[in-house]
Formats: sequence, C-alpha cells, structure tokens
Amino acid sequence: EAQVTQNPRYLITVTGKKLTVTCSQNMNHEYMSWYRQDPGLGLRQIYYSMNVEVTDKGDVPEGYKVSRKEKRNFPLILESPSPNQTSLYFCASGQQINSPLHFGNGTRLTVT
Amino acid sequence: AQKITQTQPGMFVQEKEAVTLDCTYDTSDPSYGLFWYKQPSSGEMIFLIYQGSYDQQNATEGRYSLNFQKARKSANLVISASQLGDSAMYFCAMREGGNQAGTALIFGKGTTLSVSS
Repeated sequence: EAQVTQNPRYLITVTGKKLTVTCSQNMNHEYMSWYRQDPGLGLRQIYYSMNVEVTDKGDVPEGYKVSRKEKRNFPLILESPSPNQTSLYFCASGQQINSPLHFGNGTRLTVT
Repeated sequence: AQKITQTQPGMFVQEKEAVTLDCTYDTSDPSYGLFWYKQPSSGEMIFLIYQGSYDQQNATEGRYSLNFQKARKSANLVISASQLGDSAMYFCAMREGGNQAGTALIFGKGTTLSVSS
C-alpha cells in the first residue's frame, strides 16, 4: 500500500530534550516536506527536499533541522524543543509539481 | 499578502444538500495547481480534488467538483448531496510551477463544514 509513515503519532517532551520525528514513504517520490499545523494558521511549511541531499527552508524553519540521506526517509529533528513548537506536524511527499501531496497521519507534539 | 484565502471559517449544511466552499488565490505564475484536502476530526489529510491552471474543464471526483474561474482567481469546492461524514475541516491549497524553489503546497486557513441530519 502506498503510504507516508510518520512516527510517533503522539509525543510529549520537555524543553531542551532533543527529539526526532521520522517520516518514510514507499512511493519513490522525489519531493518531501514537513508542515506544522496550528489553530487559525492553517498548515505552514517547515522544510522541504527536492531530492536526496537537497533540502531547503520553508516558511517557518527556525528551531528545526532535517536530513535527506535516502530518498524514502526525511526525519525532522528538534535539537532543543521549546513550548512554541507544540503543534501538529505532518510529513508529505509528492512527485511532480502539479501532483497532489500524500500526507502522513500526523504527529502531535507537546513540549512542556 | 495571502496567497490562498478561504473567507468562510465555518459552514453549515443539511444532509443531501449541496454546499460550496470558497477559495481565492493569488499568483503571477502561469503554471500552478490547485488542490482541496479534507481533514476529519481524526486529523489525517485526505486529498480530494486537483485542478491544473491549464485545464480547460472543471475537475470532478465523485460528489466533489471544483468551480474554477481563472480570471477571478477562484477555485471553489462544490460538494453535492452532503453526508454526515463530510463534516470536517477543508483546506484549499496551491502549488506554483515554473520555479524550482516554488514547489511548496501553500494552504489556506481552512473552512469547517458541519453537516446536520
């Protein structure tokens, strides 16, 4: 089954404790992206990747890191999480520019 | 300026009625794609329908159709014969083409649709 898999689904952590949210897709998509969703703000792009070893900042990259060592994986790293990073995070992948993005099921992160 | 505007924070409709969710967009790129996603209370993002900027006909997918008015830069989603399961948040989104850096899927802030029996 074609899918984007994110883990974990829920995560509660404390300020400053490094964490990684994993994302994997099995559709051989070149394009992958991370979004955060906050009430009243919709979804905002954090980072994206056009292909292996190619990553770029989105609209809200501060406090986040990503890597794309393999085509299928695109982890999101929070080196020192802060409470303002409490949010619902989505990983997505897609092929050409005008094709729909496929989303993972989301990761609800709470930083206390 | 917002690239995607959804002016209806919430919409209410009765079962079996049709409903239109509004979306206007702003781009100077001649090549772009417009998307609608549904997000039920469980949180996942479900792709509904796509319209390309060069498509001559309005897109349709089952009960979903996209009323694409290019000159007005609007891409309204029409749901026919609403069902209780259509209750969800709906997002309009756009991807701009012709520019390698501009491949982000830009979202509107969403419209909450409530369907009652």
